[in-house]
Formats: sequence, C-alpha cells, structure tokens
Amino acid sequence: QKEVEQNSGPLSVPEGAIASLNCTYSDRVSQSFFWYRQYSGKSPELIMSIYSNGDKEDGRFTAQLNKASQYVSLLIRDSQPSDSATYLCAAGGYQKVTFGTGTKLQVIP
Amino acid sequence: KAGVTQTPRYLIKTRGQQVTLSCSPISGHRSVSWYQQTPGQGLQFLFEYFSETQRNKGNFPGRFSGRQFSNSRSEMNVSTLELGDSALYLCASSLVGQGTEAFFGQGTRLTVV
Repeated sequence: QKEVEQNSGPLSVPEGAIASLNCTYSDRVSQSFFWYRQYSGKSPELIMSIYSNGDKEDGRFTAQLNKASQYVSLLIRDSQPSDSATYLCAAGGYQKVTFGTGTKLQVIP
Repeated sequence: KAGVTQTPRYLIKTRGQQVTLSCSPISGHRSVSWYQQTPGQGLQFLFEYFSETQRNKGNFPGRFSGRQFSNSRSEMNVSTLELGDSALYLCASSLVGQGTEAFFGQGTRLTVV
C-alpha cells in the first residue's frame, strides 16, 4: 500500500465546473498536508496547506481534511483551462513528507 | 522575496561522467531537500540537509551525494552517470524541514546520453 494515494486520472471537467481531487494517506501520525500544482515540464508549486480537520479556503481553492478517515481533498471552483495540470498531494510528519504520484486534471473549454 | 534558485537549468552529460547541481534556498530557510522526478515515478526523495547536516536519506545508491554550506546553499553530485539518471532534479526549500511548507526550485533537467 502506498503511503499517499491519488487517482492518476486524467480527471476531465468542463470549464466552470468544480474539480474534486482526492487523496488518502496511511500514516496516522501525519500532521500536515499540502497540495502542489505542477504544470507539464515545470516544478511543483505549493497552492494549499492544511493542518486541522475541516475546510480551508483560498480563492477558488478549498482544501478539506478528515483525519479520522485519513482523507484529504482539493476542490477547485469555476475551473479554468489554466488549471489543467498535475496536482500532487503530500502528507507531512515529524521531519518527513511523503508525496503522492499526482492526479492529472484536464479542464475542457 | 527571492525564490529557490537551481542551476543549471539544463544539462547533457555522457555516461560515466559526473555532475554537480546547485540549489540556493529562500533566504532564512535552513532545510534543503532533493528529489528526482521521472515520468511515471513521481517524486523520489534523495536526501535532506539541515544546517549543513544530512538529516534524511532516500533509497538511492551511493553515487548520489550532497552537501550543504553554511549559507544553506546545497549541492548534489552524481558520479558515474547512467542512462537511468536522466530526470528532472528538484530541490525544495523549507524553514525548518520536511513536514512543513516547502517551496521548489525550477529544477535541473539532466539528460544522460
């Protein structure tokens, strides 16, 4: 079992729709969770961090964390073609971080 | 505020050669982590340096090594290059280390021919 699991996709959504990206983690002591966006051929860019159960909103992005279910999600509202990228989920603990392999999102105009 | 700077951006090397990559973290950040990324493999952790000490190490052969200087700049070295070492090498800078917010440099794309 991978420590951080993501569906590789591609996840295709029409422009203007909500994109929902999901991630599960296996290490129960993980305390910090991150979402990175990576465009093809570029480096990952940190877009969201979440540490507590519940929702955290930043513009069109909402991160959701449920530690009991070991589940993290990222919602992108009003998806734009420029959101088309691979989204990496990461779970962090004490001096440790584990990345998922990413979900490729395609926003169709 | 300057971001994470990696040099060079692109490299082409021949099998058997060695290569040194450089990473300058965000000012004030003391942790630098190195990753290898290849298509289909995701981010593979190489090692982390914090205050000039290697704190964590991934599962890579000894041909891969690194160091960190007193100004937090880090270098990684790959000796006796193999074709399979062709990849995007990324460094991530964070204030206090893995498990906290980390910011990636643009990466160095290494091609071994």
